[in-house]
Amino acid sequence: DAMVIQNPRYQVTQFGKPVTLSCSQTLNHNVMYWYQQKSSQAPKLLFHYYDKDFNNEADTPDNFQSRRPNTSFCFLDIRSPGLGDAAMYLCATSTDSKTQYFGPGTRLLVL
Amino acid sequence: AQSVTQLGSHVSVSEGALVLLRCNYSSSVPPYLFWYVQYPNQGLQLLLKYTTGATLVKGINGFEAEFKKSETSFHLTKPSAHMSDAAEYFCAVIPNTGGFKTIFGAGTRLFVKA
Repeated sequence: DAMVIQNPRYQVTQFGKPVTLSCSQTLNHNVMYWYQQKSSQAPKLLFHYYDKDFNNEADTPDNFQSRRPNTSFCFLDIRSPGLGDAAMYLCATSTDSKTQYFGPGTRLLVL
Repeated sequence: AQSVTQLGSHVSVSEGALVLLRCNYSSSVPPYLFWYVQYPNQGLQLLLKYTTGATLVKGINGFEAEFKKSETSFHLTKPSAHMSDAAEYFCAVIPNTGGFKTIFGAGTRLFVKA
């Protein structure tokens, strides 16, 4: 089945130690998103790509970076994780239809 | 700026009762409208969406929503709640300006009592 895959599902890192979360898709969608979701809150958009065109949200901290080397893959890099970055990170894809297809998420724990 | 308001952070219904989750948006131009459902420790899943055309939209799992332009609303309903409907529900909009940024409501957690 075509889908959005996120690895790992759970990630533990140390305070200040860089971490990378990955997302891959078999849907061949041109738009990919990264969201941060904290407990009992709505997903917060960090950035999105339209093809290779990167769109950063104004309030996304510089600590968060992203790479999209090709259509299928997208990475979220957290350069120096703080305790406040512990959250669920959701990847999603879409096309011009605007409907988003979400991966299962990666839960990040910062020790 | 565009915003989405979901009235009620928690809604509790009995099994078999009507489910009504409220969503209002702020926009003079009707946006794309969505309802997503999220089960614990999972990503979001599309329930239904409105873009153009018929204002009553049917989705998965027996849910439907009606777009009312005059009320800037897109409320989600289901005639008869099932235990498996217990989840978090998010209303979302994408402004009809050609972009892809999605604005989510704060979410409504639905509890279903036996």
